[in-house]
Amino acid sequence: DSGVTQTPKHLITATGQRVTLRCSPRSGDLSVYWYQQSLDQGLQFLIQYYNGEERAKGNILERFSAQQFPDLHSELNLSSLELGDSALYFCASSPRGGINTGELFFGEGSRLTVL
Amino acid sequence: KNQVEQSPQSLIILEGKNCTLQCNYTVSPFSNLRWYKQDTGRGPVSLTIMTFSENTKSNGRYTATLDADTKQSSLHITASQLSDSASYICVVSARSGGSYIPTFGRGTSLIVHP
Repeated sequence: DSGVTQTPKHLITATGQRVTLRCSPRSGDLSVYWYQQSLDQGLQFLIQYYNGEERAKGNILERFSAQQFPDLHSELNLSSLELGDSALYFCASSPRGGINTGELFFGEGSRLTVL
Repeated sequence: KNQVEQSPQSLIILEGKNCTLQCNYTVSPFSNLRWYKQDTGRGPVSLTIMTFSENTKSNGRYTATLDADTKQSSLHITASQLSDSASYICVVSARSGGSYIPTFGRGTSLIVHP
């Protein structure tokens, strides 16, 4: 158990809908990262937050948005869903803004299926 | 553009055999390199971390090497077990715009057969 909690574990929805994925980082970790992993694809970096502030942005679509709250949990909002958005969405946390000293601790992922 | 290339894409071996996975990277400025193990449908878990000054690091049956000059790393698995079946991901971190962003390889899918 990495200590990172993601909910829901599974989610099935229809095209055009909006969903919210939630992540609670390890106790004390200030950084939260979101990744997308499509079938048989590598992990694609979406966005990073550090202590409530956006720190870095990757290949995140404009239909997607995220935020980190004062209690450090984070939410990833996916809107106007398309079939291609079906994927595993991972959240990871690390103790500091960077990972030059720490590793990323991943949650178990949220599997999104768009029908 | 920072890139991490892994080979082979997939590998099938018999239980008890050894294998070596490769990782080539073009990430600058280099901070560290990690190997992660990802079981199917699960989150990745770190196996080893290599910094610039380290050449070899072991974690049980896993041994990682790093050649910072050629920008290559390998992960050697000794006496493979069925539980080693997983995707092995090479992740190289660089400092970018005041933050550290990891670049992920696409992983090597390892299947260990009895």
